[in-house]
Amino acid sequence: AQKVTQAQTEISVVEKEDVTLDCVYETRDTTYYLFWYKQPPSGELVFLIRRNSFDEQNEISGRYSWNFQKSTSSFNFTITASQVVDSAVYFCALSGGAQKLVFGQGTRLTINP
Amino acid sequence: GAVVSQHPSRVICKSGTSVKIECRSLDFQATTMFWYRQFPKQSLMLMATSNEGSKATYEQGVEKDKFLINHASLTLSTLTVTSAHPEDSSFYICSASRGQGQPQHFGDGTRLSIL
Repeated sequence: AQKVTQAQTEISVVEKEDVTLDCVYETRDTTYYLFWYKQPPSGELVFLIRRNSFDEQNEISGRYSWNFQKSTSSFNFTITASQVVDSAVYFCALSGGAQKLVFGQGTRLTINP
Repeated sequence: GAVVSQHPSRVICKSGTSVKIECRSLDFQATTMFWYRQFPKQSLMLMATSNEGSKATYEQGVEKDKFLINHASLTLSTLTVTSAHPEDSSFYICSASRGQGQPQHFGDGTRLSIL
């Protein structure tokens, strides 16, 4: 069975602080894909990044960076110099042989001015 | 621009009404689309996988007769909540992807409130 765990239910930081959102996954598939999505208060889900199981290269996109480590089954997400607009619920998700996604419980991130 | 369009965005109706929600893939043909349900402050729960031209595949615990899914074309899937009751009130969201391993693109969701 596939499982995604986001142990941090809620995080609150002051603007400009760096913050890391943790994601740990479980799967028996040798080929799988990991995703991060952002859900702002308006409700829509915004795709942030995809990683396949064969690509452990870390990625940076502006203030966002992702650290994928197969050895610890983790796919953590860091926001550098956080801004109020980063406030949202962030979901880590996993898909394996089938297309369907398994979501973590989400981390509610609040950036205070 | 939006890749997946979902309509309506909000529905308020009386108990016993059937409600249809449409999900359209705008940029690509989607043989598979997905329907999720999200309760307040919770994660997304997959309800069913909508397969173009065939029956939907429902997740365990989801009532097939309550949540009717039709995927008549490669760009349109519909979810009908039949004889809705207050416990069906929730946020329903659909998605589509270009294929295995590709990101799922989500509609903006439908907030359903049954009085």
